Amino acid sequence: GAVVSQHPSRVICKSGTSVKIECRSLDFQATTMFWYRQFPKQSLMLMATSNEGSKATYEQGVEKDKFLINHASLTLSTLTVTSAHPEDSSFYICSAPRGVQGVNTIYFGEGSWLTVV
Amino acid sequence: QKEVEQDPGPLSVPEGAIVSLNCTYSNSAFQYFMWYRQYSRKGPELLMYTYSSGNKEDGRFTAQVDKSSKYISLFIRDSQPSDSATYLCASSSGSARQLTFGSGTQLTVLP
Repeated sequence: GAVVSQHPSRVICKSGTSVKIECRSLDFQATTMFWYRQFPKQSLMLMATSNEGSKATYEQGVEKDKFLINHASLTLSTLTVTSAHPEDSSFYICSAPRGVQGVNTIYFGEGSWLTVV
Repeated sequence: QKEVEQDPGPLSVPEGAIVSLNCTYSNSAFQYFMWYRQYSRKGPELLMYTYSSGNKEDGRFTAQVDKSSKYISLFIRDSQPSDSATYLCASSSGSARQLTFGSGTQLTVLP
């Protein structure tokens, strides 16, 4: 079954509005979560590292004021796309490391398709 | 140069064939190596996880890491149409650190 859950799976919003995407770790705590963006037929691009209890760490070129990340609890991180524009339309995916038998592996959510019209 | 290089394909094989997917990496600090399968419009699914060099087998899937040549491989035996997906290799320097992905190889297994 799913280890990391994302919601919503699809969202359509009007240009200029804000959209929030949730990422939850199921049955385990994640002090760190990662947010990625993926364009069609391209690989995943790391946007930022979400840290519980502190500010997110953004990758170079990612606007932190546009992509607001809040790691509200040990099982929830949210990505808010503010003042969305059509060029923000993309597939957004989160991931979280989970320890299994002392080894951390990284699991992904199902992804969220954002379409800005 | 990207830290993880992967041939994007596309790769088409007949059902039952052995599939070989490969990546190379340049960062000597990478210790953890993973293969993910991504179906269209879905999040990546973890297939195999390997620490350092060596082989790991899970059913029809075998992952190999050769740190001396910085080469990562995934073999799929008796390939099935349901294996048709994009396969992403990924590496990291720490077990809970962010992953560096290859570009993904699109695989189609023809019935």
